[in-house]
Amino acid sequence: EVQLVESGGGLVQAGGSLRLSCTASGFIVSTQQMNWVRQAPGKGLEWVSVHYTGGTTFYTDSVKGRFTISRDNSKNTVYLQMTSLSAEDTAVYYCALSPDYYYFAMGVWGQGTTVTVFS
Amino acid sequence: QSVLTQPPSTSGTPGQRVTISCSGDSSNIGSTTVNWYQQLPGAAPKLIIYNNHLRPSGIPDRFSASKSGASASLAISGLQSEDAADYYCAAWTDSLHAFYVFGTGTTVTVL
Repeated sequence: EVQLVESGGGLVQAGGSLRLSCTASGFIVSTQQMNWVRQAPGKGLEWVSVHYTGGTTFYTDSVKGRFTISRDNSKNTVYLQMTSLSAEDTAVYYCALSPDYYYFAMGVWGQGTTVTVFS
Repeated sequence: QSVLTQPPSTSGTPGQRVTISCSGDSSNIGSTTVNWYQQLPGAAPKLIIYNNHLRPSGIPDRFSASKSGASASLAISGLQSEDAADYYCAAWTDSLHAFYVFGTGTTVTVL
């Protein structure tokens, strides 16, 4: 069964850093397109970052230069390193798989991990 | 901040048909495919439509969707109580600012 499990969320002071993990099972992350999506409290979904199979990465403007997406093939895990956090980064962060058989739509999602930034 | 516009809410009684519109432009819906996600209260989003009109395995055929130009729509026929949720359209984009954009979201209420 294809599954994603996020971890690493928590309380962090403004200006601090946090690393989120997304551990995959049932498939190999290095062969798939992986995304991070976030949802602020009471708000809609916001795409954050993508890691293509070839290694190319992209970010939404609001996190460029502060967030880094990466993967560890040996652990079958994707990470989101977040730095210089602000209250605007408070959200539930979801990891999502975009398989080619879904034409790269986000077909599998994790349960989410909550990040709360306080000042 | 989203570039895909949806109505904030819609409602219907059980058995009715409701539709949700999604308006974009030539940099997103107009040049790529549309996906739709359902988010039940307190849950992670779930893909219900991909490639404009295709349903993943297990998604009831009560859910249908279409795309025309830079707009798309989702229809739910035979509305059921378990369809009460937030629905988001989404599309990959050629923008340099965000490569995937979600719609503003529509809350479906089953009366």
